[in-house]
Amino acid sequence: AQKVTQAQTEISVVEKEDVTLDCVYETRDTTYYLFWYKQPPSGELVFLIRRNSFDEQNEISGRYSWNFQKSTSSFNFTITASQVVDSAVYFCALSGTSYGKLTFGQGTILTVHP
Amino acid sequence: EPEVTQTPSHQVTQMGQEVILRCVPISNHLYFYWYRQILGQKVEFLVSFYNNEISEKSEIFDDQFSVERPDGSNFTLKIRSTKLEDSAMYFCASTGTPDYSNQPQHFGDGTRLSIL
Repeated sequence: AQKVTQAQTEISVVEKEDVTLDCVYETRDTTYYLFWYKQPPSGELVFLIRRNSFDEQNEISGRYSWNFQKSTSSFNFTITASQVVDSAVYFCALSGTSYGKLTFGQGTILTVHP
Repeated sequence: EPEVTQTPSHQVTQMGQEVILRCVPISNHLYFYWYRQILGQKVEFLVSFYNNEISEKSEIFDDQFSVERPDGSNFTLKIRSTKLEDSAMYFCASTGTPDYSNQPQHFGDGTRLSIL
């Protein structure tokens, strides 16, 4: 069975602070895919990143960066110089195949105060 | 950019009534999904659909639920006799192009279903 744990239920920061959202996963699959989605207050799910289990390179996209560590089964997400518009619920998700179902974590509510 | 479209955005239904949630996936996608999110909780998988049949379903997806792709563009979720606990946001997603290039699942904006 697959499981995704986001231990941080809520995080509150002040604008311009850096913030890291933790994600730990469990799977028996040797090949799998990890994702982050953002859910702003309007409710839609916005895709941020997808990583497959063979690619442990860290990724940076603007103020966003992701750290994938297979040894600790973690796929953490860092926002540098946070902004009020980053306020949202962030979900980490796992899939065992390219087109398989997504197993989501409980989500982390991020609030960025001005 | 192509997107997944869901209608209606909000559906209010009396308990025991049938409801059909509609989705138009991205046009050249081959894999379709329904998820639900009870208010304040995580997103849960319901069912996946490929090649005109269900490829996987969760324990939530019992006999009260069905999916259909009635034509080349729509993908529907039917709940036959709604219960109070069916109140949730329902998300449709699609992925997978004929060239099998790796694609993430793209989600619609969701349908908020309220059962009274």
